[in-house]
Amino acid sequence: NFMLTQPHSVSESPGKTVTISCTGSSGSFAGNYVQWYQQRPGSAPTTVISENDQRPSGVPDRFSGSIDYSSNSASLTISGLKTEDEADYYCQSYDRASHGGVFGGGTKLTVL
Amino acid sequence: EVQLVESGGGLVKPGGSLRLSCAASGFTFGSYGMSWVRLAPGKGLAWVSSIDRSSDDIYYADSVKGRFTISRDNAKNSLYLQMSSLRAEDTAVYYCARDYSGYLVFDFWGQGTQVTVS
Repeated sequence: NFMLTQPHSVSESPGKTVTISCTGSSGSFAGNYVQWYQQRPGSAPTTVISENDQRPSGVPDRFSGSIDYSSNSASLTISGLKTEDEADYYCQSYDRASHGGVFGGGTKLTVL
Repeated sequence: EVQLVESGGGLVKPGGSLRLSCAASGFTFGSYGMSWVRLAPGKGLAWVSSIDRSSDDIYYADSVKGRFTISRDNAKNSLYLQMSSLRAEDTAVYYCARDYSGYLVFDFWGQGTQVTVS
């Protein structure tokens, strides 16, 4: 089964830049988009990056996404960190074999 | 404004049943695939089930296959999840999400409804 692996947690200081990785277990991301969702405690997820690197309307340009097909990994980069960016971040893609959604385990971002 | 509002959650005993609903507004509901995603305590987001815009293609996670049934009523702008033979491990907040691509690219999410099996 297709799996996505994320670091359990990352921390960085306000104003700095952090990158969260998401590595696919097998095959390649080629042909499948990767999305990134932000979820603050007690709130619903929101989409911060869709289709690998597209920022939905209303998402600050401090958020960016990228794909490295050679290493089968995706990354979410947040620059100019703010305390409000503290949240859990999940990568997600599509498993064509099962027609199902696949989420990474989530990364807890602490801004301190 | 796109809105997705879930309802129907609650406390149910193991082996029981529950029907979740998701009321959609602010967009042409019948033009989009929809999914259910859950967040269990101490765990991460997990895809549960998806349905295409015409109900022709329906898929389930292995963990709920045979116990959950997804459906939709485009005339009522509503998505449903019928859950039966519930287990403690089904305890979670259940979110409905809009898929704008047909390949589970979620762009809008509901606020979630709590299901507790105990």
